[in-house]
Amino acid sequence: DQQVKQNSPSLSVQEGRISILNCDYTNSMFDYFLWYKKYPAEGPTFLISISSIKDKNEDGRFTVFLNKSAKHLSLHIVPSQPGDSAVYFCAASAPGSQGNLIFGKGTKLSVKP
Amino acid sequence: KAGVTQTPRYLIKTRGQQVTLSCSPISGHRSVSWYQQTPGQGLQFLFEYFSETQRNKGNFPGRFSGRQFSNSRSEMNVSTLELGDSALYLCASSLTVDPTEAFFGQGTRLTVV
Repeated sequence: DQQVKQNSPSLSVQEGRISILNCDYTNSMFDYFLWYKKYPAEGPTFLISISSIKDKNEDGRFTVFLNKSAKHLSLHIVPSQPGDSAVYFCAASAPGSQGNLIFGKGTKLSVKP
Repeated sequence: KAGVTQTPRYLIKTRGQQVTLSCSPISGHRSVSWYQQTPGQGLQFLFEYFSETQRNKGNFPGRFSGRQFSNSRSEMNVSTLELGDSALYLCASSLTVDPTEAFFGQGTRLTVV
């Protein structure tokens, strides 16, 4: 059973507009959430994270929102740029999980010029 | 600061053989985790090491093993390779004991023929 779900396999956005990537989770023990970006043939690159004690974290063009009651988080990219085109993974961890990040299956974002 | 280094980048092995993959974490990082990425299953946690001790293990058969050395470098070994072991193997290192902000290497692409 998937504990972290990214229900949209792909997303296409125009350059300059907002990209919103969504992630749902089922395990209420998760207390830390991360977003990674991955280009083909490369390892995931850490983007931004959020602790469950917060509902928003912002870093430049990237903002992550956490809705604990809905067990939902989203990554907003504003403005989107062609270089943002990649696969985005949502990941979660629970206390004491010791290195075990649970990943969603990813959403492929395409930003069109 | 050098990132996570994985060697080799690509590997082709024959079914039944064994393979050893290497990971050098970011300097000062003591936690090293290993993940397997396949198109069907996404990123799945293999195991995590901290100070030469395996602290957590994912749901993989005993053919998958690992170790960590005193300099935090880690190796993973897969014995009796099967076709289904073909995957991208990713290593991640982190500074703290919690799996926050894990930084990934570029991965080793293993092909079993």
